[in-house]
Amino acid sequence: GQQLNQSPQSMFIQEGEDVSMNCTSSSIFNTWLWYKQEPGEGPVLLIALYKAGELTSNGRLTAQFGITRKDSFLNISASIPSDVGIYFCAGQRTGANNLFFGTGTRLTVIP
Amino acid sequence: DVKVTQSSRYLVKRTGEKVFLECVQDMDHENMFWYRQDPGLGLRLIYFSYDVKMKEKGDIPEGYSVSREKKERFSLILESASTNQTSMYLCASDRGGYGGYTFGSGTRLTVV
Repeated sequence: GQQLNQSPQSMFIQEGEDVSMNCTSSSIFNTWLWYKQEPGEGPVLLIALYKAGELTSNGRLTAQFGITRKDSFLNISASIPSDVGIYFCAGQRTGANNLFFGTGTRLTVIP
Repeated sequence: DVKVTQSSRYLVKRTGEKVFLECVQDMDHENMFWYRQDPGLGLRLIYFSYDVKMKEKGDIPEGYSVSREKKERFSLILESASTNQTSMYLCASDRGGYGGYTFGSGTRLTVV
């Protein structure tokens, strides 16, 4: 299956710091999505991106759809303890029913 | 509040048992999916269904089957559970298009 490489695998940051993570693919996607999974729960959609170069924000989160359509980036500003969780990128091709997921970035925020 | 509900949060089964994982959605979604989640491997697609009685294999269908007799319900079946099927199983649904999935809370299955 399609492999999406997500980095970093894990991050330990101080509360108040900014966070950046990215996701790369060997092939093109027409939609990129970012999910967050909190302990004991399923992933929840944070941001969806539909156009190359698009930059979209959701509160302190900002995501970008890479211009090559093979990558995407997620930034979290001024992190807080409730940002803790695993962040997954996902890509979808035109006409496809299913998403391909990245391997996840585990974020730990130290108060 | 729209939901995807997985019938069990935790299950422990013995090797060789037949295991049923149930998933129900109340959003009238066309598509339903089963993923398994393992550390370092992310989410891998087992099977999905885009309509009642329709199913498609995902990336790792071996050892699994599925059933979708009604639109709202999608079942994952482990015909003969093995220890390498110990994992977190996530069910999801969507209405088609590019709006992203709604996930259930997951079932953590341990096969001993």
